Order: sequence, then C-alpha cells, then structure tokens
Amino acid sequence: TAGITQAPTSQILAAGRSMTLRCTQDMRHNAMYWYRQDLGLGLRLIHYSNTAGTTGKGEVPDGYSVSRANTDDFPLTLASAVPSQTSVYFCASSLRPPGLAVYNEQFFGPGTRLTVL
Amino acid sequence: DAKTTQPNSMESNEEEPVHLPCNHSTISGTDYIHWYRQLPSQGPEYVIHGLTSNVNNRMASLAIAEDRKSSTLILHRATLRDAAVYYCILRAMNYGGSQGNLIFGKGTKLSVKP
Repeated sequence: TAGITQAPTSQILAAGRSMTLRCTQDMRHNAMYWYRQDLGLGLRLIHYSNTAGTTGKGEVPDGYSVSRANTDDFPLTLASAVPSQTSVYFCASSLRPPGLAVYNEQFFGPGTRLTVL
Repeated sequence: DAKTTQPNSMESNEEEPVHLPCNHSTISGTDYIHWYRQLPSQGPEYVIHGLTSNVNNRMASLAIAEDRKSSTLILHRATLRDAAVYYCILRAMNYGGSQGNLIFGKGTKLSVKP
C-alpha cells in the first residue's frame, strides 16, 4: 500500500511563477490536509478538505489554493510564488473529518521541499 | 496557537526508558491528548492518544495526570530509531469545520545515545 504520495520531492521555483504540488492517497480517506513546516515554527495548517467537493482554510491560507475534485487527490497551487513560501510542504489524510471521531489518525506523506528564489 | 508546553530537547541512552512531559493546563473536557513524532526528513506519524485513562500500544504508553493538566509519553526502551521530534497535541472533539484539526507546536527533540 502506497499510502500518501507527494510530487515533486523537491523543487526550485522562481518568484512569480506558479506551481502545483500534487498529493494522492490510496486509503479512501475522506479528509485531506496541507501543512507547511518552517524551521523553528513547527507544522502549520494551510488548507483542508473534509470530503470530496469541499475545502476550508487553515491557519496560513494566503497565497495558496486547493481543490478536491475526487477522494484521492488534493493538489495545492501557488499562483504566484514568493520567497516566504520557501518551506517543506506535507500532505496528510484521515479516514474521518477532524473532530468527528475519537480515533482519527492523520497519515502524512513524505513532503515536498520547495525553494522560491 | 498551540495549547501545550514541552521541553525543547531531551537526551536518552539507548535501551533505557524515556519520559517525555507535556503540560496543558488549559485543557478542556472535550480535548483529547494526541502524540505524534517526526523522524528526520520524514512526515509526522501518529504515536498514541488518550482522554483520561492511561493508554498503552505497541509504540509507547501515555500517562495522563488525574487533573488532566499534564501528560507523559513513555518509551519503555529507547532505540536509535526513536530519535525524533515528539509533538503533544490537544484535539477538540465534537466540532465541525477546522476546530478539530491538529495544531502542532515545536515539540521535543529527543536524542538517543548508543
């Protein structure tokens, strides 16, 4: 079982360019999440999706957009990248939406390291 | 903001028990205590969670204070592979939207010496 896959593994991007980070899960999980991790700041939630067709904003959504056209895929798009978006991006999924179940472990992907110059 | 307080770092010797503390003095009655860990260059992984009673699983044990204002993650025999950042997270239950999302603090970086 692959679990969660993310692509690319790493990327260097020129400021002002757009980019889509891909995330795919094969666990048929309802909820998916995007986090960014910066040195000294821990992980912060960017956007989430409780189920296919719905999305919501997390703690740091500005400059990012997401879509959830189906259960398996949850791409994260940077429309016009800026250097402050240099970070490691983690995609995660859970069987149920947050807050609706006691046992609702989040499974994380391996991450995408993005550098915006 | 994260609602937990953890030491920035701890050290342990291999094969010895490790007790990782977490303070959460403002915990509410509907908050579950979750622990995740992040190995170097990997995404976080679930370790254990609990509400009031102590919990055990194949990875660790979770000891929760009677007043629930603190908890301790116990690794019974640390191995080199347990070197990671350990996050103590409170998760609210019975809320919709984003209120049940995980909020990661800075965690405790555990070093294990051979």
